[in-house]
Amino acid sequence: DAGVIQSPRHEVTEMGQEVTLRCKPISGHNSLFWYRQTMMRGLELLIYFNNNVPIDDSGMPEDRFSAKMPNASFSTLKIQPSEPRDSAVYFCATLGWNEQFFGPGTRLTVL
Amino acid sequence: TQLLEQSPQFLSIQEGENLTVYCNSSSVFSSLQWYRQEPGEGPVLLVTVVTGGEVKKLKRLTFQFGDARKDSSLHITAAQPGDTGLYLCPNAGNNRKLIWGLGTSLAVNP
Repeated sequence: DAGVIQSPRHEVTEMGQEVTLRCKPISGHNSLFWYRQTMMRGLELLIYFNNNVPIDDSGMPEDRFSAKMPNASFSTLKIQPSEPRDSAVYFCATLGWNEQFFGPGTRLTVL
Repeated sequence: TQLLEQSPQFLSIQEGENLTVYCNSSSVFSSLQWYRQEPGEGPVLLVTVVTGGEVKKLKRLTFQFGDARKDSSLHITAAQPGDTGLYLCPNAGNNRKLIWGLGTSLAVNP
Protein backbone atom coordinates (compact mmCIF):
# COMPACT_ATOMS: atom_id res chain seq x y z
CA ASP A 1 0.00 0.00 0.00
CA ALA A 2 1.31 3.46 -0.88
CA GLY A 3 0.07 4.99 2.35
CA VAL A 4 -1.92 8.18 2.58
CA ILE A 5 -1.40 10.30 -0.53
CA GLN A 6 -1.75 14.08 -0.50
CA SER A 7 -1.53 16.61 -3.28
CA PRO A 8 -0.13 19.05 -3.92
CA ARG A 9 2.92 18.85 -1.65
CA HIS A 10 3.44 22.59 -1.87
CA GLU A 11 1.00 25.34 -2.72
CA VAL A 12 1.74 29.05 -2.96
CA THR A 13 -1.21 31.32 -3.61
CA GLU A 14 -2.31 34.87 -3.16
CA MET A 15 -4.75 36.13 -0.59
CA GLY A 16 -8.32 35.75 -1.75
CA GLN A 17 -7.71 32.78 -4.00
CA GLU A 18 -9.42 29.42 -3.58
CA VAL A 19 -7.23 26.54 -2.45
CA THR A 20 -8.13 22.85 -2.70
CA LEU A 21 -6.10 20.20 -0.94
CA ARG A 22 -6.56 16.56 -1.85
CA CYS A 23 -6.19 13.27 0.01
CA LYS A 24 -6.35 9.62 -0.97
CA PRO A 25 -6.68 7.49 2.17
CA ILE A 26 -5.32 4.01 2.79
CA SER A 27 -7.73 1.46 1.36
CA GLY A 28 -9.92 -0.08 4.04
CA HIS A 29 -9.40 2.65 6.63
CA ASN A 30 -12.82 4.02 7.49
CA SER A 31 -11.87 7.15 9.43
CA LEU A 32 -10.15 10.14 7.81
CA PHE A 33 -8.79 13.23 9.52
CA TRP A 34 -7.67 16.67 8.36
CA TYR A 35 -5.11 18.46 10.54
CA ARG A 36 -3.34 21.79 10.41
CA GLN A 37 0.15 22.20 11.88
CA THR A 38 1.87 25.45 12.79
CA MET A 39 4.81 26.22 15.06
CA MET A 40 2.64 28.24 17.41
CA ARG A 41 -0.32 25.88 17.76
CA GLY A 42 1.08 22.48 16.86
CA LEU A 43 -1.21 19.88 15.32
CA GLU A 44 -4.86 20.88 15.32
CA LEU A 45 -7.66 18.57 14.25
CA LEU A 46 -9.91 20.37 11.77
CA ILE A 47 -12.45 17.68 10.91
CA TYR A 48 -12.82 13.95 10.78
CA PHE A 49 -14.99 11.58 8.75
CA ASN A 50 -16.17 8.08 9.54
CA ASN A 51 -17.42 5.99 6.61
CA ASN A 52 -17.38 9.16 4.46
CA VAL A 53 -19.66 11.05 6.87
CA PRO A 54 -18.37 14.16 8.70
CA ILE A 55 -18.50 13.37 12.41
CA ASP A 56 -16.80 16.31 14.08
CA ASP A 57 -15.99 19.60 12.38
CA SER A 58 -15.60 21.63 15.55
CA GLY A 59 -11.98 22.37 14.67
CA MET A 60 -12.79 24.03 11.35
CA PRO A 61 -11.73 27.62 11.97
CA GLU A 62 -14.49 29.38 10.06
CA ASP A 63 -16.85 29.22 7.12
CA ARG A 64 -14.01 29.78 4.68
CA PHE A 65 -12.99 26.16 5.31
CA SER A 66 -14.96 23.22 3.97
CA ALA A 67 -14.20 19.52 3.60
CA LYS A 68 -15.82 16.75 1.62
CA MET A 69 -15.45 13.02 1.29
CA PRO A 70 -17.52 11.96 -1.72
CA ASN A 71 -16.31 8.35 -1.54
CA ALA A 72 -14.04 6.07 0.47
CA SER A 73 -10.99 6.83 -1.64
CA PHE A 74 -10.97 10.62 -1.86
CA SER A 75 -11.31 13.71 0.31
CA THR A 76 -10.78 17.42 -0.20
CA LEU A 77 -10.21 20.39 2.06
CA LYS A 78 -11.09 23.72 0.50
CA ILE A 79 -10.28 27.23 1.66
CA GLN A 80 -12.16 30.05 0.00
CA PRO A 81 -11.08 32.80 0.17
CA SER A 82 -7.61 32.10 1.51
CA GLU A 83 -5.84 34.45 3.92
CA PRO A 84 -2.18 34.76 4.97
CA ARG A 85 -3.01 33.35 8.42
CA ASP A 86 -4.04 30.09 6.74
CA SER A 87 -0.38 29.44 5.91
CA ALA A 88 0.50 26.11 7.52
CA VAL A 89 1.14 22.46 6.77
CA TYR A 90 -2.07 20.53 6.27
CA PHE A 91 -2.10 16.80 6.95
CA CYS A 92 -4.55 14.10 6.05
CA ALA A 93 -4.51 10.96 8.21
CA THR A 94 -6.43 7.71 8.40
CA LEU A 95 -7.07 5.37 11.29
CA GLY A 96 -5.81 1.83 11.35
CA TRP A 97 -6.04 -0.34 14.44
CA ASN A 98 -5.40 2.25 17.17
CA GLU A 99 -2.87 4.09 15.01
CA GLN A 100 -3.23 7.13 12.82
CA PHE A 101 -1.35 7.04 9.52
CA PHE A 102 -0.40 10.44 8.17
CA GLY A 103 0.25 11.63 4.67
CA PRO A 104 3.31 13.74 3.87
CA GLY A 105 1.33 16.98 4.16
CA THR A 106 0.69 19.99 1.97
CA ARG A 107 2.69 23.10 2.79
CA LEU A 108 0.42 26.06 2.06
CA THR A 109 1.74 29.59 1.75
CA VAL A 110 -0.75 32.40 1.27
CA LEU A 111 0.88 35.67 0.25
CA THR B 1 -9.78 20.47 28.75
CA GLN B 2 -6.63 18.42 29.03
CA LEU B 3 -3.39 20.35 28.59
CA LEU B 4 -0.27 18.61 27.36
CA GLU B 5 3.17 20.00 28.01
CA GLN B 6 6.28 18.60 26.42
CA SER B 7 9.80 19.51 27.45
CA PRO B 8 12.23 20.58 26.42
CA GLN B 9 10.69 22.31 23.43
CA PHE B 10 13.99 22.20 21.52
CA LEU B 11 17.05 20.00 21.99
CA SER B 12 20.26 19.89 19.98
CA ILE B 13 22.85 17.26 20.82
CA GLN B 14 25.84 15.48 19.34
CA GLU B 15 25.71 11.98 17.94
CA GLY B 16 26.31 9.39 20.64
CA GLU B 17 24.84 11.39 23.51
CA ASN B 18 21.91 10.22 25.63
CA LEU B 19 18.78 12.28 26.14
CA THR B 20 15.38 12.24 27.79
CA VAL B 21 12.27 14.15 26.77
CA TYR B 22 9.16 14.51 28.86
CA CYS B 23 5.43 14.65 28.42
CA ASN B 24 3.17 15.94 31.20
CA SER B 25 -0.57 16.23 31.39
CA SER B 26 -2.95 18.24 33.50
CA SER B 27 -5.12 15.13 33.82
CA VAL B 28 -4.84 11.38 33.59
CA PHE B 29 -4.03 9.83 30.25
CA SER B 30 -6.40 7.07 29.17
CA SER B 31 -3.54 5.83 27.05
CA LEU B 32 -0.62 7.63 25.51
CA GLN B 33 1.17 7.34 22.22
CA TRP B 34 4.57 8.59 21.08
CA TYR B 35 4.94 9.68 17.47
CA ARG B 36 8.04 10.89 15.65
CA GLN B 37 7.73 13.37 12.80
CA GLU B 38 10.75 13.64 10.52
CA PRO B 39 11.32 16.88 8.62
CA GLY B 40 8.97 17.18 5.67
CA GLU B 41 6.89 14.16 6.66
CA GLY B 42 3.86 13.31 8.76
CA PRO B 43 4.07 11.81 12.26
CA VAL B 44 4.70 8.08 12.58
CA LEU B 45 3.65 6.02 15.59
CA LEU B 46 6.47 4.66 17.74
CA VAL B 47 4.62 3.13 20.70
CA THR B 48 1.39 3.04 22.71
CA VAL B 49 1.42 2.78 26.52
CA VAL B 50 -1.67 2.00 28.53
CA THR B 51 -0.76 0.81 32.03
CA GLY B 52 0.71 3.02 34.76
CA GLY B 53 4.38 2.18 35.31
CA GLU B 54 4.66 0.49 31.94
CA VAL B 55 8.06 0.48 30.22
CA LYS B 56 8.51 -0.30 26.55
CA LYS B 57 11.71 -0.50 24.56
CA LEU B 58 12.21 0.03 20.86
CA LYS B 59 15.90 -0.54 20.04
CA ARG B 60 17.68 2.47 21.60
CA LEU B 61 14.43 4.14 22.67
CA THR B 62 12.91 3.51 26.11
CA PHE B 63 9.40 4.74 26.87
CA GLN B 64 8.08 4.99 30.40
CA PHE B 65 4.53 5.73 31.53
CA GLY B 66 4.19 7.31 34.97
CA ASP B 67 2.53 5.34 37.75
CA ALA B 68 -0.28 7.89 37.97
CA ARG B 69 -0.64 7.98 34.16
CA LYS B 70 -0.17 11.74 34.05
CA ASP B 71 3.33 11.78 32.61
CA SER B 72 5.64 9.89 30.31
CA SER B 73 9.26 10.00 29.26
CA LEU B 74 11.26 8.94 26.25
CA HIS B 75 14.92 8.12 26.72
CA ILE B 76 17.22 7.72 23.73
CA THR B 77 20.57 6.03 24.20
CA ALA B 78 23.49 6.89 21.91
CA ALA B 79 21.46 9.19 19.69
CA GLN B 80 21.94 8.95 15.93
CA PRO B 81 21.26 11.58 13.24
CA GLY B 82 18.33 9.42 12.14
CA ASP B 83 16.65 10.18 15.48
CA THR B 84 16.26 13.81 14.42
CA GLY B 85 12.65 14.92 14.36
CA LEU B 86 9.69 16.21 16.31
CA TYR B 87 8.54 13.90 19.11
CA LEU B 88 4.85 14.10 19.98
CA CYS B 89 2.91 12.40 22.78
CA PRO B 90 -0.84 12.63 22.21
CA ASN B 91 -3.44 11.36 24.62
CA ALA B 92 -4.84 8.41 22.72
CA GLY B 93 -7.84 7.63 24.92
CA ASN B 94 -10.11 8.48 22.03
CA ASN B 95 -8.22 7.32 18.97
CA ARG B 96 -10.35 9.56 16.77
CA LYS B 97 -9.65 12.74 18.75
CA LEU B 98 -6.06 12.67 19.83
CA ILE B 99 -4.96 15.56 22.04
CA TRP B 100 -1.59 16.82 20.83
CA GLY B 101 1.04 18.98 22.49
CA LEU B 102 3.62 21.10 20.66
CA GLY B 103 6.25 18.39 20.81
CA THR B 104 9.98 18.29 21.38
CA SER B 105 12.11 19.14 18.38
CA LEU B 106 15.31 17.07 18.48
CA ALA B 107 18.36 17.67 16.33
CA VAL B 108 21.19 15.11 16.47
CA ASN B 109 24.33 16.48 14.90
CA PRO B 110 26.91 14.16 13.32
